[in-house]
Amino acid sequence: AQKVTQAQTEISVVEKEDVTLDCVYETRDTTYYLFWYKQPPSGELVFLIRRNSFDEQNEISGRYSWNFQKSTSSFNFTITASQVVDSAVYFCALIQGSYNNNDMRFGAGTRLTVKP
Amino acid sequence: KAGVTQTPRYLIKTRGQQVTLSCSPISGHRSVSWYQQTPGQGLQFLFEYFSETQRNKGNFPGRFSGRQFSNSRSEMNVSTLELGDSALYLCASSRRDRNTEAFFGQGTRLTVV
Repeated sequence: AQKVTQAQTEISVVEKEDVTLDCVYETRDTTYYLFWYKQPPSGELVFLIRRNSFDEQNEISGRYSWNFQKSTSSFNFTITASQVVDSAVYFCALIQGSYNNNDMRFGAGTRLTVKP
Repeated sequence: KAGVTQTPRYLIKTRGQQVTLSCSPISGHRSVSWYQQTPGQGLQFLFEYFSETQRNKGNFPGRFSGRQFSNSRSEMNVSTLELGDSALYLCASSRRDRNTEAFFGQGTRLTVV
């Protein structure tokens, strides 16, 4: 079975604070792909990052960073010096297994509110 | 490069009717996936099409169907609408190679009354 858990339903921070969004995944496959998407009020999901199961290297992109730890099945997302424009719902997602599979399983999402 | 285009953006239908939603993927993308998003169930995978063939299907009743045309555009159809079908329907396109991400449209907001 494949499953993604985002335990934080809502987070509220004040601008310039750092915030970490947690993501824990379950899969039986050794090959899998993890994603983070941002959903602003407009509705479309905006791609942020993709990681495959063989690449545990953490990544930093501007104010965004991701910590992938296979030992704890976690793929956490940190926003440094948050801004009001970061307010959105963030989804962690998983694609399990083979090449012929684009069935993306999403977590329930974390609603981030950044107050000025 | 144009993004994923979904039409219409908003739709109101009556119980028992049927509805067809359209998705135009990014040029060059051959895979189109459909997702349903509701407050209660979150984002759920409906099905995926590649080269006019359905490759994967989620756990939805047969009232939900889709197809893909030779130009990769896709449509999904829901027959005999129920109140519970009210949702945001999102379409995603990808190149379908390994290790590629999916790009989403803005969705179609369907309300069944």
